[in-house]
Amino acid sequence: DTEVTQTPKHLVMGMTNKKSLKCEQHMGHRAMYWYKQKAKKPPELMFVYSYEKLSINESVPSRFSPECPNSSLLNLHLHALQPEDSALYLCASAAANYGYTFGSGTRLTVV
Amino acid sequence: KNQVEQSPQSLIILEGKNCTLQCNYTVSPFSNLRWYKQDTGRGPVSLTIMTFSENTKSNGRYTATLDADTKQSSLHITASQLSDSASYICVVSAEQSNFGNEKLTFGTGTRLTIIP
Repeated sequence: DTEVTQTPKHLVMGMTNKKSLKCEQHMGHRAMYWYKQKAKKPPELMFVYSYEKLSINESVPSRFSPECPNSSLLNLHLHALQPEDSALYLCASAAANYGYTFGSGTRLTVV
Repeated sequence: KNQVEQSPQSLIILEGKNCTLQCNYTVSPFSNLRWYKQDTGRGPVSLTIMTFSENTKSNGRYTATLDADTKQSSLHITASQLSDSASYICVVSAEQSNFGNEKLTFGTGTRLTIIP
């Protein structure tokens, strides 16, 4: 299994909703990442988990809350989002300096 | 500041033709350079990854080159197909002090359109 699986593929949520994005990989990668990508822009790093511990938080607003329950799973909990948070959210995993694999993304629309 | 610049910003070519995309970077200390293909609204898919000591790497119709002295890379696509229409992103990684803290610098991509 050489994939990073993200669910759901599409999500529409209101500004008062609570939702979660999920990411799963079974490649034994011990680093997992969340990126946010706006249209026609490069991905922006949000969070990094290394060995299930949060190692990087790129000053992301608290309405985004990451969670790494185990070495295969990564969640991103969403609460009280704003319309400007609408974007493609990408999960990635890595082993050392190689094997940096992206998921297919969740397209999030906040209404 | 680490930067990756790509050219051209967009490119339109006829199906079956070849093309070359360029990437210039100022990332230090350099670890590796990757080319990704990204379809609109989808995650990037890795095409090649090269370290300092590698000059050329191929993946089917894709051939990437790296000149670590001039800090330039190119991606050559041979016999283009309609399915090659996508954005191609150059991503450069700096050496990391701790595992998982790898910082990637993304180029803004080249939007390639193949027309029949």
